[in-house]
Amino acid sequence: DGGITQSPKYLFRKEGQNVTLSCEQNLNHDAMYWYRQDPGQGLRLIYYSQIVNDFQKGDIAEGYSVSREKKESFPLTVTSAQKNPTAFYLCASSMGWGNQPQHFGDGTRLSIL
Amino acid sequence: QQPVQSPQAVILREGEDAVINCSSSKALYSVHWYRQKHGEAPVFLMILLKGGEQKGHEKISASFNEKKQQSSLYLTASQLSYSGTYFCGTEGGSNYKLTFGKGTLLTVNP
Repeated sequence: DGGITQSPKYLFRKEGQNVTLSCEQNLNHDAMYWYRQDPGQGLRLIYYSQIVNDFQKGDIAEGYSVSREKKESFPLTVTSAQKNPTAFYLCASSMGWGNQPQHFGDGTRLSIL
Repeated sequence: QQPVQSPQAVILREGEDAVINCSSSKALYSVHWYRQKHGEAPVFLMILLKGGEQKGHEKISASFNEKKQQSSLYLTASQLSYSGTYFCGTEGGSNYKLTFGKGTLLTVNP
């Protein structure tokens, strides 16, 4: 059954700590995305990758980093530089780049301890 | 720039109709519509491309008026399963990045 798997479902971060959110897809999609969702704010783009070994900053990239070493994987690291990391994080993928439906994972909820 | 959705929230009785609007201050090349149920992943509904076409998905359809830089989502004879938050995502440049609106919360009651 093809889809996008995000883990963990819930994550807690201590002060000064970096945490990594996992996103894996078995849809053979080229493009992958990370969004942040805050209550009442919609989805805001953090980073996106059109193809393996390439990625670009989205609208709110500060305090985040990503890698795309494999087609199926696009992990997001929330660094200590992100001062307000509490949010719901969604990973998505699409077959190609441009006017393609995006398929979303079930999300990771990150909170500060 | 983030598109503006209206209304912010709407409550319906089963069987009633609703319209959700999505407006942008800049020229649009495409509009995407997604529905998200509480605590779940957003689910793709449809894409409308430049050209003013109207698309349908079950009893949900949408239109795209590129001159007015807006799209509308029409929900006909609403069902309980239609409850959720509806987001529009707009693409207005050559890089195909989507910018999402803040969402419209739709509640369908029996």
